[in-house]
Amino acid sequence: DAGITQSPRHKVTETGTPVTLRCHQTENHRYMYWYRQDPGHGLRLIHYSYGVKDTDKGEVSDGYSVSRSKTEDFLLTLESATSSQTSVYFCAISESGASRTSSYNEQFFGPGTRLTVL
Amino acid sequence: DAKTTQPPSMDCAEGRAANLPCNHSTISGNEYVYWYRQIHSQGPQYIIHGLKNNETNEMASLIITEDRKSSTLILPHATLRDTAVYYCIVRVGAYKYIFGTGTRLKVLA
Repeated sequence: DAGITQSPRHKVTETGTPVTLRCHQTENHRYMYWYRQDPGHGLRLIHYSYGVKDTDKGEVSDGYSVSRSKTEDFLLTLESATSSQTSVYFCAISESGASRTSSYNEQFFGPGTRLTVL
Repeated sequence: DAKTTQPPSMDCAEGRAANLPCNHSTISGNEYVYWYRQIHSQGPQYIIHGLKNNETNEMASLIITEDRKSSTLILPHATLRDTAVYYCIVRVGAYKYIFGTGTRLKVLA
């Protein structure tokens, strides 16, 4: 298994509180991603990073911010958590970002963080 | 963005081939099709991917129609451990995966 850990694995918090989820990798992969998974929606990309301090928005980025100060760590922050952000959050990594004409971009996923916002 | 449509659930007898269909009729010419699976609540696991040609690896085969509007993932000899949710995904550009809602495959003893 790819060396990806997520912390915490479970968290319960209250509406309006800030929350930070951490993704840590030991693979030295350049690309890192945050997804959320909700019933009926599959996985949806929140933010991704293509290098240290290089990040961009995914399809459901509102209410989330990210930071990547080191290759191995990618942090997801909910500045003021809302009940709609109750979800399972997955981090993923990939060695190459691939290009439009390049085939390979397998993403390795972490074990997930279950977040409940009351 | 391209969308994928999959049946919500399927059953397959152990030892038989499992054929999982996916519709991606709005896919663009340079967008790849990926398949992942998710067992219980674990992170998704890569299975196979392709662009135009059929592909095979140690886990599965991927058949893509000539017009690229649909594809089928084939698990040649399904086992109980293949029970999972299977996601057909279109990769848009270099980084972005568009996940469908997946097919819950149940392999029956």
